[in-house]
Amino acid sequence: DAGITQSPRYKITETGRQVTLMCHQTWSHSYMFWYRQDLGHGLRLIYYSAAADITDKGEVPDGYVVSRSKTENFPLTLESATRSQTSVYFCASSESPDLNQPQHFGDGTRLSIL
Amino acid sequence: GQQVMQIPQYQHVQEGEDFTTYCNSSTTLSNIQWYKQRPGGHPVFLIQLVKSGEVKKQKRLTFQFGEAKKNSSLHITATQTTDVGTYFCAGRAGGYQKVTFGTGTKLQVIP
Repeated sequence: DAGITQSPRYKITETGRQVTLMCHQTWSHSYMFWYRQDLGHGLRLIYYSAAADITDKGEVPDGYVVSRSKTENFPLTLESATRSQTSVYFCASSESPDLNQPQHFGDGTRLSIL
Repeated sequence: GQQVMQIPQYQHVQEGEDFTTYCNSSTTLSNIQWYKQRPGGHPVFLIQLVKSGEVKKQKRLTFQFGEAKKNSSLHITATQTTDVGTYFCAGRAGGYQKVTFGTGTKLQVIP
């Protein structure tokens, strides 16, 4: 969907480095989400945000930090990357606060940590 | 916490055969959504079910929500190669804001 973009699409970094994944949506959706996708685990929620300046932990938040100073942006930061954080990361947004609306996903960031 | 399991994890079918994936929740769900992810792509919303026992159809795809709202199924009639991908269910328990995705069923269609 053109309305939600992630960058970079691919990233290789080393353990211990800080890396930030960007997510930008043009729909003014209230809710935004970060997921990681690994074989055998499906999509696991890392963090989500109900609005600007409101964030909450998901299923696997350890090692990650998020912020949402503006409605359209929801960056995800790995403060000190570890190999276990090698994954495909998806950002998503949804327009409804009661989660009865679909989630719209970005194209993903494929992150490799050496 | 809320757990959503899908079976099977993988399914290979000959083109033209039917396919079904099942989604089971450990808790009663307010609603359930289904997504499809093509190889190398991102999940794309297919449909949402809200009512107990609800059945919805999209061409060859039939979606069902269980009477107890703890399980759901997706059935594809006469699969085509364009159906290849991973199908995810996603559910939200009542009063719980987070959506939990199932583990997914990867469908391969052999021409």
